[in-house]
Amino acid sequence: QSVLTQPPSASETPGQRVTISCSGSDANIGTNTVNWFQQLPGMAPQLLIYRNTQRPSGVPDRFSGSKSGTSASLAISGLQSEDEADYYCAAWDDSLNGPVFGGGTKLTVL
Amino acid sequence: VRLSESGGGLEQPGGSLRLSCAASGLTFSMYAMNWVRQAPGKGLEWVSGISGSGDRTYYADSVRGRFTISRDTSKSTVYLQMNSLRAEDTAVYYCAKDPDSMVRGRMDVWGQGTTVIVSS
Repeated sequence: QSVLTQPPSASETPGQRVTISCSGSDANIGTNTVNWFQQLPGMAPQLLIYRNTQRPSGVPDRFSGSKSGTSASLAISGLQSEDEADYYCAAWDDSLNGPVFGGGTKLTVL
Repeated sequence: VRLSESGGGLEQPGGSLRLSCAASGLTFSMYAMNWVRQAPGKGLEWVSGISGSGDRTYYADSVRGRFTISRDTSKSTVYLQMNSLRAEDTAVYYCAKDPDSMVRGRMDVWGQGTTVIVSS
């Protein structure tokens, strides 16, 4: 069971907007910033969002992150078929003294 | 920047393996390095991290006391020595760098992974 809680799946049609939630506690999201990773099928993960809202260079602005209290969200607008992937949230956990991941959300573009 | 893992394979329960991750295209000592694993059909699990200078190491509870992370700046390589292997250690092991010298879990570059199978 993961320290951070994500819905196991999400789906939406092309062109629409989808939001993926990530719930934690005061020890992790409540105190530290959240990062999001995208893992395309058969590939290594890649950083998608860091420090709650920041996009690495090359990540389209269709991807956005937010954080409030002990929860965070990843929003993807203008969905495209190539967005079909697993998405993971992560944050440093002060109690465990290391980063923790969510269980991952499998996004299906219908 | 490129990270290339090696050293995976099939090992019996109770055995040992040493994973290596060779880095290129960066000033190696400036960056913390991590190992993250993914069991078959499962999610990501952070395993261990080491600071850029090598003076600070961190471990997940699931591997503490069995795994040891280290780095060799002269070879731009980070290692994961895995002892007392268990079936639940079976996974793809990824090497990933942090954006600075501190272990933060904000891994901005990942390798392609090496597969470890623990089975008799």
